This record gives sequence, C-alpha cells and structure tokens, in this order.
Amino acid sequence: ELKVEQNPLFLSMQEGKNYTIYCNYSTTSDRLYWYRQDPGKSLESLFVLLSNGAVKQEGRLMASLDTKARLSTLHITAAVHDLSATYFCAVIQIQGAQKLVFGQGTRLTINP
Amino acid sequence: DAMVIQNPRYQVTQFGKPVTLSCSQTLNHNVMYWYQQKSSQAPKLLFHYYDKDFNNEADTPDNFQSRRPNTSFCFLDIRSPGLGDAAMYLCATSRAGEVTGELFFGEGSRLTVL
Repeated sequence: ELKVEQNPLFLSMQEGKNYTIYCNYSTTSDRLYWYRQDPGKSLESLFVLLSNGAVKQEGRLMASLDTKARLSTLHITAAVHDLSATYFCAVIQIQGAQKLVFGQGTRLTINP
Repeated sequence: DAMVIQNPRYQVTQFGKPVTLSCSQTLNHNVMYWYQQKSSQAPKLLFHYYDKDFNNEADTPDNFQSRRPNTSFCFLDIRSPGLGDAAMYLCATSRAGEVTGELFFGEGSRLTVL
C-alpha cells in the first residue's frame, strides 16, 4: 500500500528566508499534487506534477518531482507571512484501487 | 463559481442523532469522494463512487454510509455520530481517465458532536 511521508511536519521560519518541504512516497506513481490548507478551510490546489523532472512555480513557491527517487519538494523563496498555512502533498495510488493518498501535512508558520 | 458545493457548511448534532451531509457538482465528473479530516490530521478517504459503483475503504466504520442518486449529487450519512466523528468532511470529484487525475474539493462540512 502506498505511503506518503512529509518532512518536516512543523516549520517555523522568518520572513525573507528560504526553505524546502520534502515529500517521499513508497510505490510507483505518476501523479503528485501539492495543496494548501488554511485553518478551518478546505484544500486549495497549488501544483499538479505529472512527470519525472517536472518543475512548476507560482510566486514564491516552486514544486518539483523526481519519480525515480519518489521524491517531491516544495521550495519557498523569501517567505512572507501570507504563506503561513498547512501544506499537503498527495500521490495517486495506481496499483489496486486508484485513490489519492495524502502526506501528514507540514504546518508552516512564518514570523514577521 | 463554486463547482463542488457542500451543505451544510457547519453542522452541530447531538451524540447518536443521525446526520446527512450533501455534495453537489456541476463538473459532470464521474468519480465522487468523501474524505474525513480530523483536527491537525491529513484527509482520510472514507469511500468513493466510480459512476454508480460504490467503493468502501476497508477501515471505514459501518456508521458511515453514502448514497449517490445521480451523477451530480452524493450524500454522506452518519447513522449514530459519536464524539470521535467530529471532523471536517470533504467532498471531491474527478473525471476518470483524465490526464491530470486532479481532484476538485468542496469547501467542506464541519461537524460538531455534542
């Protein structure tokens, strides 16, 4: 069964700094997603990564996918307070019943 | 415009009093999902419909049931809510066979059990 692990689970950082969130998954998959969730809200889709070497950027966030290493990263550049949220990666399980499996989430707090 | 609509957004019920949450979609997607998300946890899949075919996760309690009367609507029934069922319930849809396989989530229904 597919397992998805994120690290770190908690991240507190200062505005202006850079940091990376890592997402590892245990079995072959060809699709990986990053979501943002604000407290009490639903999931907001950030990135859809479909192939090895895929890189996508939106503002201060950049996501990449290495399917051979079964690793995705979400890089935050020059963090600002508005990016404080919980970030989830999720992977499509393609063996057996196709379903979306989430990582544990990374709670990001950006301090002024 | 909202494409996946959940009602109610907030539901308060008493211990053991049945609850129904609804989800409607305007995307004409053939797959609909129900996820449960407890505080500070990741969303957990309860079940999904592929067209009319119901697929239950092995660890979903019997207390949770679902109905999909047509393509656009799906309901989550909690027969006898316990305190441990307090959570955000997320409905999502997707189109099988689409390249991205992306799920579209509703705003969620937050359930409080007293």
